Amino acid sequence: DIQMTQSPASLSASLGDRVTITCRASQSISTYLNWYQQKPGKAPKVLIYDASSLHSGVPSRFSGGGSGTDFTLTISSLQPEDFATYYCQQSYKTPYAFGQGTNLEIK
Amino acid sequence: QLQLQESGPGLVKPSETLSLTCSVSGGTISSPTHYWNWIRQAPGKGLEWIGSIYYRGATNYNPSLKSRVTMSLDTSKNQFSLRLTSMTAADTAVYYCATSTTMIFYYWGQGAPVTVSS
Repeated sequence: DIQMTQSPASLSASLGDRVTITCRASQSISTYLNWYQQKPGKAPKVLIYDASSLHSGVPSRFSGGGSGTDFTLTISSLQPEDFATYYCQQSYKTPYAFGQGTNLEIK
Repeated sequence: QLQLQESGPGLVKPSETLSLTCSVSGGTISSPTHYWNWIRQAPGKGLEWIGSIYYRGATNYNPSLKSRVTMSLDTSKNQFSLRLTSMTAADTAVYYCATSTTMIFYYWGQGAPVTVSS
């Protein structure tokens, strides 16, 4: 099975900050990597798919990059609604694993 | 736009079987472009993909749960279902149904909390 490892597990940042979250796959997954945002008590929402494609309706301050085993999610200027938990997920092969999550908190 | 809604018991006894249903609106589960998935999240934990079912009934289960999982479609009701046998406290979680194309989970239900307790 492919293991997905995110770092950091938690992150404190201020409004307007630029933040980057990293996701590493245990083997190459090409660009079959997706990012989700989850707020407390809600279902996750897809932000980025195929490593760098912005899902419809997602603000352009979100961007994704990487290929192979190393990927990033960057938020260019944090807004109040961005404080949430972020998950990466590989869609390369079954079982379709998620990372353990990164909790983004207000500093 | 697709909408999904889970339904089922909130409480299951240890060793019993969990049955959940996901009702789909705004689209048909007979679509050849979508897969229908179950994903769960234990309290304070991350997301675990349980498995998926395709419109022709083909299934794909997470090996960690494969011996206990069955998924099925009911095209007459536009619903799909999950059965998970031999429930234990470790199966306590919020269970989500979600739809995907190429295993990108675009639409999710609101989640069904399930507690395993006697």
